Amino acid sequence: GAGVSQSPRYKVAKRGQDVALRCDPISGHVSLFWYQQALGQGPEFLTYFQNEAQLDKSGLPSDRFFAERPEGSVSTLKIQRTQQEDSAVYLCASTPFNPRTGAKETQYFGPGTRLLVL
Amino acid sequence: AQKVTQAQTEISVVEKEDVTLDCVYETRDTTYYLFWYKQPPSGELVFLIRRNSFDEQNEISGRYSWNFQKSTSSFNFTITASQVVDSAVYFCALRSTGGFKTIFGAGTRLFVKA
Repeated sequence: GAGVSQSPRYKVAKRGQDVALRCDPISGHVSLFWYQQALGQGPEFLTYFQNEAQLDKSGLPSDRFFAERPEGSVSTLKIQRTQQEDSAVYLCASTPFNPRTGAKETQYFGPGTRLLVL
Repeated sequence: AQKVTQAQTEISVVEKEDVTLDCVYETRDTTYYLFWYKQPPSGELVFLIRRNSFDEQNEISGRYSWNFQKSTSSFNFTITASQVVDSAVYFCALRSTGGFKTIFGAGTRLFVKA
């Protein structure tokens, strides 16, 4: 079956350019997460959606980062005026359950988008 | 504040050796979840296990086993009879029961040589 997909897989941007990264979660998955993974580091939480509601955006590093999930399925992470420190792999994950319920949870991760800002 | 420490940056073993990956965590929460993920060279994170903080039973799944010790805030992962396909980066992670944010360690890169 189809897993979480992300596009583009690779993106090279000039400093100051805006970029948009797309995540297609597994169909029917309620929860969606974005993470940033710098080279040699573990993923760092950026934001969380439950359906179309963005319930936690505390991990977004600056107001240049914006995420949306308008119809509760596909999500887009937008970075405005990219900086070199934004270079990282951006991972998306989805789960079929709301993690607050404590139901058995598996986060299904996409392959990531590798962003390089020159 | 929550924190996950994986002190081993890289481990190299020969096939069929047993290997243990260490994970130490810090949290003020009384209930939480602990996770292990595998990240092969393809880049996708693969879920391996989730443990609840109130369940300290060790778990075995095939060649994988996990040792959760709340007294020492550790959640170690052992691979028995390692195989080349086990080569990957392994991440330990922590999330409070009522929260959304999962905190990952920096990862341990495991090399299994034939």
